[in-house]
Amino acid sequence: GQNIDQPTEMTATEGAIVQINCTYQTSGFNGLFWYQQHAGEAPTFLSYNVLDGLEEKGRFSSFLSRSKGYSYLLLKELQMKDSASYLCAVNDYKLSFGAGTTVTVRA
Amino acid sequence: GAVVSQHPSWVICKSGTSVKIECRSLDFQATTMFWYRQFPKQSLMLMATSNEGSKATYEQGVEKDKFLINHASLTLSTLTVTSAHPEDSSFYICSARRQGEESNQPQHFGDGTRLSIL
Repeated sequence: GQNIDQPTEMTATEGAIVQINCTYQTSGFNGLFWYQQHAGEAPTFLSYNVLDGLEEKGRFSSFLSRSKGYSYLLLKELQMKDSASYLCAVNDYKLSFGAGTTVTVRA
Repeated sequence: GAVVSQHPSWVICKSGTSVKIECRSLDFQATTMFWYRQFPKQSLMLMATSNEGSKATYEQGVEKDKFLINHASLTLSTLTVTSAHPEDSSFYICSARRQGEESNQPQHFGDGTRLSIL
C-alpha cells in the first residue's frame, strides 16, 4: 500500500520562506513529484526528485532523502499568487498523491 | 507543447444520467492516460489507467461497470459515468503520458471536469 503524509495547512507572510514536508511509505519508488494546484484547476508540475539531494528551480527547491522516506518543498520569497495547494506524489509508474498542503500567503 | 484538453469542463445533470468526459492530447500521442477523481479538500485518487487499444486497469474499489473507459486512439480517452448519482459528484481529471516518455517524466494534466449530479 501507499502512505503519503503532508501537513494540511500552512500560513506565511509575503516575502517569507515556507517548507512543506512530505513523508512516504510506499511499495515501490521511482521518484517523487511536487505539484501546485489552485482551487478548481488541474495540478501543475513544480519539481521532480529521484536521487537524494536538493533540486533548485528559481524560487522553488525540493529535497529528497530516500533512506528516510522524506521530501520537502521549499518556497522562497513568497508571493500572494503562491497561495494554493501543494501536492506530493510518489511515482511508481503511476502516481500516488498525498492529501495536499494548503498554503495561504498573507500580506 | 504537451497540451491535454478535457471536455466538458462543467456538467450538471439529473440523477440516473450517464455522462461522458473526453480527454484529448492535442499535440502529442499518448499511449497511456490516467483518470483521477478529487473530492473537495482531498487529494487526487487514481481511478484507472487507460492504455490505447487495450482494456483499462482499474484501481481497487473502482467499479469498472460504473466508470467505463475507452482509449480507442492515441489521442483520445473517454470516461463514462453510467447512471450517475449524487455521490458521484466530484472533480474528474485526466492526465496523459507522451508516447515514448519514461515514467520519470511529469504527466500532462487536463483542466478537469466538475461533475454535479442533482
